[in-house]
Amino acid sequence: GENVEQHPSTLSVQEGDSAVIKCTYSDSASNYFPWYKQELGKGPQLIIDIRSNVGEKKDQRIAVTLNKTAKHFSLHITETQPEDSAVYFCAAGRRRGDMRFGAGTRLTVKP
Amino acid sequence: DGGITQSPKYLFRKEGQNVTLSCEQNLNHDAMYWYRQDPGQGLRLIYYSQIVNDFQKGDIAEGYSVSREKKESFPLTVTSAQKNPTAFYLCASSELAINEQFFGPGTRLTVL
Repeated sequence: GENVEQHPSTLSVQEGDSAVIKCTYSDSASNYFPWYKQELGKGPQLIIDIRSNVGEKKDQRIAVTLNKTAKHFSLHITETQPEDSAVYFCAAGRRRGDMRFGAGTRLTVKP
Repeated sequence: DGGITQSPKYLFRKEGQNVTLSCEQNLNHDAMYWYRQDPGQGLRLIYYSQIVNDFQKGDIAEGYSVSREKKESFPLTVTSAQKNPTAFYLCASSELAINEQFFGPGTRLTVL
C-alpha cells in the first residue's frame, strides 16, 4: 500500500518569510495529492490539491509542486502570516479509501 | 448549512465499555471514512464505506466496527477489544468519483 513521509515535523518562520513542506510517496500509481490544514481541536480542511497530470498549482500565497519521477511533492506558502500557524498534512492516493496521510508539520509563524 | 457533524465533541468512557461515535453528513456524498489521529502522527484509516450497506477495513480496523444503514450516517463503535482507544477520531466524506474528502470537527475520546 501507499506510504507517505512528510518533513519537517516542525517549522518555525518569521512573518513574511516563505515556508516549504515536503512529502514523498511510495506508490507510483497514486494520482491525487491534497494538502490539508488543521487548526487546534478542529478537523483538517483542504487548502490545495494537485493531480498527477499537473506539475504545479498555485492559489494566491499557496503553491504545490509535484515531481512524479522522484515521487515527491511540496507545499510552498509565501508571505506567511500568523494565521497560517497550524498543522499541515499531505496525502497521496489513487482511489477512494486508498488515500494515506503524512505525519504532519506543525508550522509556527512568529509575528 | 451543508457539512459533516460529529457528536459529541468530547467523550469519556470507562475501560471495557463499548462506545459509539456519531457521524452525519448532508452533502449527499456516497463515500464516508473514519480516521484516528494520535499526537505526532498523521491520520490513520480505520474503516471506509463507498455505498450504503457496504464498508471496508482500513489500516487499523481491529477493535472497531461500523455500519452504513443510511447514506448520511456512518457511526463508529470503539469496542473493548481496542487496546488503546484514547485518541481524536475524525470522520470524512467524499463524492464517489472525486478524491477530495471533507472532514468533520472530530470527537476526542478518553478512556479512563
